[in-house]
Amino acid sequence: DGGITQSPKYLFRKEGQNVTLSCEQNLNHDAMYWYRQDPGQGLRLIYYSQIVNDFQKGDIAEGYSVSREKKESFPLTVTSAQKNPTAFYLCASSPERAGLSTDTQYFGPGTRLTVL
Amino acid sequence: SQQGEEDPQALSIQEGENATMNCSYKTSINNLQWYRQNSGRGLVHLILIRSNEREKHSGRLRVTLDTSKKSSSLLITASRAADTASYFCATAYYGNNRLAFGKGNQVVVIP
Repeated sequence: DGGITQSPKYLFRKEGQNVTLSCEQNLNHDAMYWYRQDPGQGLRLIYYSQIVNDFQKGDIAEGYSVSREKKESFPLTVTSAQKNPTAFYLCASSPERAGLSTDTQYFGPGTRLTVL
Repeated sequence: SQQGEEDPQALSIQEGENATMNCSYKTSINNLQWYRQNSGRGLVHLILIRSNEREKHSGRLRVTLDTSKKSSSLLITASRAADTASYFCATAYYGNNRLAFGKGNQVVVIP
């Protein structure tokens, strides 16, 4: 089955802890994205990567970090510096290459993070 | 960043009726996309319309694009209960390898 997976589905974190959200794709896509969604809101871009070992900040990168060591994987770490991390996190991938216009994005099922 | 804005925000219709949603944007785009999200799930791509296209169909979906008014509409014909979801428009701007999403439009289809 080709697709994009996220784990875990639900994640609970105590204040002051760092947590890492997993995102894996086997679609051979070059670009990957992390979005945050709050209730009743649209998606806000946290980080994106168009190629291995390179990534760019999105609109709300503060308090988050990412890595792109492999084409298939783009984990997101929510650090203790993120003041309001409770949200639904969505990962997406796209076949686009750097310099080309954005094409269709394929989304994972999401991870719901709750800070206790 | 500039975002598409959907109008209306919430829509409740009877099964079999048509549902229409609109999206506006601010500057020239390369393409505009519509996505669906069922509650608590990821987004699913529905249709992409490029800036040089005016209308596109996919099954019961019809999307129009008016670049002079910087707006797009999504029409779902003969709606079904399974169409109950949130619908998002997303715009891709030239020279910017990212999508800007609107806040979404919640559609409830009553059986």
